[in-house]
Amino acid sequence: GAVVSQHPSRVICKSGTSVKIECRSLDFQATTMFWYRQFPKQSLMLMATSNEGSKATYEQGVEKDKFLINHASLTLSTLTVTSAHPEDSSFYICSTPGLAGGLETQYFGPGTRLLVL
Amino acid sequence: GENVEQHPSTLSVQEGDSAVIKCTYSDSASNYFPWYKQELGKGPQLIIDIRSNVGEKKDQRIAVTLNKTAKHFSLHITETQPEDSAVYFCAASRYSSASKIIFGSGTRLSIRP
Repeated sequence: GAVVSQHPSRVICKSGTSVKIECRSLDFQATTMFWYRQFPKQSLMLMATSNEGSKATYEQGVEKDKFLINHASLTLSTLTVTSAHPEDSSFYICSTPGLAGGLETQYFGPGTRLLVL
Repeated sequence: GENVEQHPSTLSVQEGDSAVIKCTYSDSASNYFPWYKQELGKGPQLIIDIRSNVGEKKDQRIAVTLNKTAKHFSLHITETQPEDSAVYFCAASRYSSASKIIFGSGTRLSIRP
């Protein structure tokens, strides 16, 4: 079954509005979760590392005031795209560390497709 | 910074034949190398991974090899089937539960019937 869930699976919004995406770790408690963005026919690019109880760590070139991350509990991280614009339209994917065969690995959510009109 | 290169970008093979995807990485401290399969509109799914203490790992029709000296690792799929058609990503990480994963650019694999 699914290890990581995301909600919503897809969202359409008007330019200038804010959109919140939830990522839940279903099987593991996660002090760290990761947010990625994927444009069509491209690879996954890490946006930020979400840290439970502290500030997120953003990758170079990612605006922390535009992509707000909150890691309120050991199973939930949220990404809020503030004042969304059409260029923010993308596939947003979260991941969480977990165990497979007793060894650490990383599981990815099903993704959230954002379309900004 | 860390970089993972992946080749080829597209690959078409006849059903039943083998497919090979190759990756190189730049960070010599990387010690965890997962491979993901991504189908259209879905998140990546882990299909196999290898750690730096082994040179090869196999799981049914899928195998991965690692050459730490050359910083190369490869995915081998044998007896390919139509359901193997997808985009495959290699990745590298200095693995601990808090380590970020760096992805390759992806390979679009098509299996011809």
